[in-house]
Amino acid sequence: KNQVEQSPQSLIILEGKNCTLQCNYTVSPFSNLRWYKQDTGRGPVSLTIMTFSENTKSNGRYTATLDADTKQSSLHITASQLSDSASYICVVSDRGSTLGRLYFGRGTQLTVWP
Amino acid sequence: EADIYQTPRYLVIGTGKKITLECSQTMGHDKMYWYQQDPGMELHLIHYSYGVNSTEKGDLSSESTVSRIRTEHFPLTLESARPSHTSQYLCASSEQAGTGELFFGEGSRLTVL
Repeated sequence: KNQVEQSPQSLIILEGKNCTLQCNYTVSPFSNLRWYKQDTGRGPVSLTIMTFSENTKSNGRYTATLDADTKQSSLHITASQLSDSASYICVVSDRGSTLGRLYFGRGTQLTVWP
Repeated sequence: EADIYQTPRYLVIGTGKKITLECSQTMGHDKMYWYQQDPGMELHLIHYSYGVNSTEKGDLSSESTVSRIRTEHFPLTLESARPSHTSQYLCASSEQAGTGELFFGEGSRLTVL
């Protein structure tokens, strides 16, 4: 069964600290993996996309990694800011059909305290 | 900044009422989607469309219906709302099906009393 599991479920850190969010998936055949940020009361916004051949990709203070062999991805946030408080959702796409299909994790709720 | 808009943002109605959630995008995307999101749970696809006059049911069974008469417009209708329909409804669009980036609206929070 294709699944996406995220950990931790929630995380509280102090402003300025770093943190790492995890995403494990069993989706096969794999096409790509995206990390989305969802602020409270808003729609998700894409942060990064990782394809099979990519190991690391950065977007400002966000760095995503992908290990396609172990089917794990992480999102590392450096020097956290209050505005980083949000839910971070891992979404994996398969290539089992020409249209593809998306599998969503439940998200990690990050709270950054001053 | 995504050009996809949902109205209303918040709606509180009584049981048995008919409601329509509006969704419009100005990006010219053929692919549009409706997701349902409950607190702490993953997004569930309830409807999608790959173009005008094309609509399909998603993975999660829903009593709602959708229409796609124009490329930019993808409204969702509930003929008779029930408390079990209370949820957050997110509309999205994409250039590519499946593998492409989803652009989400800000959501419609529906509460049925």
